[in-house]
Amino acid sequence: DQQVKQNSPSLSVQEGRISILNCDYTNSMFDYFLWYKKYPAEGPTFLISISSIKDKNEDGRFTVFLNKSAKHLSLHIVPSQPGDSAVYFCAASALGPIQGAQKLVFGQGTRLTINP
Amino acid sequence: GAVVSQHPSWVICKSGTSVKIECRSLDFQATTMFWYRQFPKQSLMLMATSNEGSKATYEQGVEKDKFLINHASLTLSTLTVTSAHPEDSSFYICSARDENQPQHFGDGTRLSIL
Repeated sequence: DQQVKQNSPSLSVQEGRISILNCDYTNSMFDYFLWYKKYPAEGPTFLISISSIKDKNEDGRFTVFLNKSAKHLSLHIVPSQPGDSAVYFCAASALGPIQGAQKLVFGQGTRLTINP
Repeated sequence: GAVVSQHPSWVICKSGTSVKIECRSLDFQATTMFWYRQFPKQSLMLMATSNEGSKATYEQGVEKDKFLINHASLTLSTLTVTSAHPEDSSFYICSARDENQPQHFGDGTRLSIL
């Protein structure tokens, strides 16, 4: 039972354009969501998070949107840069950012390729 | 930023061998460390959660006697895969967090059992 789903295994975007990575979840108890970026042979790196009390969180070129009614979140990267090419994982947890960060459920990842 | 070091990065060994993987938080004290496993093209699956000085909490379906976890200090946790077999071949990755912080991950260990 995949509680967190990233239905696009790969995405290709032109440099300078917007990259939109999508994530759906099924567990209505999830209230804290994170995005991680992973390069080959390295561990995931935390990018940005959002609590369910918000519908948007922005950090530089990265913005995460949360649609609770649709159980959907997305990561927007604008403008996209070649260094953004990586695998992006979304993760979700219940019990909020403190206790909830104890237990993350990950999606399968989306491989983003930024073309020059 | 927070740095988590995982060692070794790659292990190849014979069936029946026990393998120990170390996870260290280098610049912060980790109240909690986590061990994940990832099969090719699949998501990270949490195996267990360990708090310093206490027994690890294992996820359903993870054999405690197979995957021994020790969290002796606030900066070190170890995962020992006992009597490893080919089906244990996988990518193992640890993470660590301090209070109020997201999890920070090590670079993972690729385990290949012949």
